[in-house]
Amino acid sequence: KQEVTQIPAALSVPEGENLVLNCSFTDSAIYNLQWFRQDPGKGLTSLLLIQSSQREQTSGRLNASLDKSSGRSTLYIAASQPGDSATYLCAAVSGSARQLTFGSGTQLTVLP
Amino acid sequence: KAGVTQTPRYLIKTRGQQVTLSCSPISGHRSVSWYQQTPGQGLQFLFEYFSETQRNKGNFPGRFSGRQFSNSRSEMNVSTLELGDSALYLCASSPPDSQEEFFGPGTRLTVL
Repeated sequence: KQEVTQIPAALSVPEGENLVLNCSFTDSAIYNLQWFRQDPGKGLTSLLLIQSSQREQTSGRLNASLDKSSGRSTLYIAASQPGDSATYLCAAVSGSARQLTFGSGTQLTVLP
Repeated sequence: KAGVTQTPRYLIKTRGQQVTLSCSPISGHRSVSWYQQTPGQGLQFLFEYFSETQRNKGNFPGRFSGRQFSNSRSEMNVSTLELGDSALYLCASSPPDSQEEFFGPGTRLTVL
């Protein structure tokens, strides 16, 4: 059974800082890993999807990497802004089912 | 292209009642998945439908059920509501050629 862990649970940084969010998973036989952002009381916004055959994906100031052998993914946010404040969730798809297994999220606060 | 829509956005029910939530996927998406989000358990997978067939089901009691129509719209039903069913219910859809999931804004269900 896939388990996904995100550490730390909360992170506070000053504006402009580069930061890394961590995600680990127990089953390395994943099909893909997806990073989401969730604002309070809202739905999830897809940020990046990394297929199992890929090592990283980039979108603007965001870069996500995937290392299946170590069971880890990281989300790198460059030049953080107050608008980046949200909860960031990673989710893995493994097995034959189209089913996301989520981590518990990292609540990010970027201070002006 | 319009995103995933969910109705209603907010719902208040009392214990023992039943409720039906609706989800309209992004046009062209045929896979629809449902998730429950609570502060204690995080995001948990309920079920996934594709072409009107349930392909996968999470570990929830039989009070939780769903269906998908020929136009890919989906409904989920919860019967005999319990206080613990209070949650944000999220629907996601994905295109045929990708496993990237796109989420709706959710339905906030409160059971009194």
